Amino acid sequence: KNEVEQSPQNLTAQEGEFITINCSYSVGISALHWLQQHPGGGIVSLFMLSSGKKKHGRLIATINIQEKHSSLHITASHPRDSAVYICAVSRMEYGNKLVFGAGTILRVKS
Amino acid sequence: KAGVTQTPRYLIKTRGQQVTLSCSPISGHRSVSWYQQTPGQGLQFLFEYFSETQRNKGNFPGRFSGRQFSNSRSEMNVSTLELGDSALYLCASTRTGPAGGYTFGSGTRLTVV
Repeated sequence: KNEVEQSPQNLTAQEGEFITINCSYSVGISALHWLQQHPGGGIVSLFMLSSGKKKHGRLIATINIQEKHSSLHITASHPRDSAVYICAVSRMEYGNKLVFGAGTILRVKS
Repeated sequence: KAGVTQTPRYLIKTRGQQVTLSCSPISGHRSVSWYQQTPGQGLQFLFEYFSETQRNKGNFPGRFSGRQFSNSRSEMNVSTLELGDSALYLCASTRTGPAGGYTFGSGTRLTVV
């Protein structure tokens, strides 16, 4: 079993829909990261969470440490949100190593 | 401030050759970590350098190596290239510990023919 599991693997939504991507992990962590990767490869860090909830524009990330679960929500989705969303975790004993989920491919249709 | 710079962006090499990739972190960031991304395996950790010392290494063969210089710039080297080494190689820099934020470079896309 992978340390970090994401669901769904693929997601197609209509413009304006509310989107949720889930991430579960099996080990204790220092922080959980949500990353966005567009075609072409560049990765952008969206959120880093160690507890609670963070919001940036239309994006909201939450984490439940007890349940080892995080969600990324996109409100009022737009075609420009189409990308791969990747959950990753870091652990104190790993130094600055990130362990990644397999990613969720999101396509938002207009 | 300048982001993380990776060079070159694209590279085509022949099996058996060796390759060196470069990563310049954000000024002030002392930690550089390297990752390999392939369609089959996703993103996998290669190694991490902090203050010129390798702190952590992923599960890759000894053909993969790296180093970090006193200015925090890092290089990774792959010797005796194999077709399966074709991948996007990404580096990320961070200033603080494991709970610090990561900034990724645009990556080097290596094709081995």
